[in-house]
Amino acid sequence: GAGVSQSPSNKVTEKGKDVELRCDPISGHTALYWYRQSLGQGLEFLIYFQGNSAPDKSGLPSDRFSAERTGGSVSTLTIQRTQQEDSAVYLCASSSRDRASYEQYFGPGTRLTVT
Amino acid sequence: GQNIDQPTEMTATEGAIVQINCTYQTSGFNGLFWYQQHAGEAPTFLSYNVLDGLEEKGRFSSFLSRSKGYSYLLLKELQMKDSASYLCAVTGWGAAGNKLTFGGGTRVLVKP
Repeated sequence: GAGVSQSPSNKVTEKGKDVELRCDPISGHTALYWYRQSLGQGLEFLIYFQGNSAPDKSGLPSDRFSAERTGGSVSTLTIQRTQQEDSAVYLCASSSRDRASYEQYFGPGTRLTVT
Repeated sequence: GQNIDQPTEMTATEGAIVQINCTYQTSGFNGLFWYQQHAGEAPTFLSYNVLDGLEEKGRFSSFLSRSKGYSYLLLKELQMKDSASYLCAVTGWGAAGNKLTFGGGTRVLVKP
């Protein structure tokens, strides 16, 4: 079946612009995660959506970052007034079970470059 | 909080064995994952350990010692396609169970 998909695969934007990154999780997966991976760094948790519960936003690095998940499926990560330090690969993952103690399926990521 | 340490890079020869160590400090522990990530690709699941001991899955095995905060991933009969980064990650209880905390990854280079 179809895996997690993300769009765009690459995004180059100018400093100060807003960007939207999209994630389509595996159909039926209730849990959705966003991570980012900076060059040479490990994956860093950003936000977690669990069913109809309030999301865990504890990993968002600043109030310029926000995310929503519509209808329990597609999610959008928005970065406002982008800065050069936002350059990274943004990865989305979904899971069939809530809580991170279950296997997560990752999408291919969106490579964001802020110039 | 949680802290994960793993070597940055390892080199091994095709057909050999490589062991990737991961140590962690965490206030609550509810499992350790290993993921494989080829350059430019998504991480893919390799193993999950929550109890002490060795889990074997084909050429790959993962070991956990909760009392020592230690895990290793063992790759046997190395193949060129095993050249990748291997990511160690832990999850916990309560709010810490809402996410995976990753180490920096170990890049394994398999040489002919």
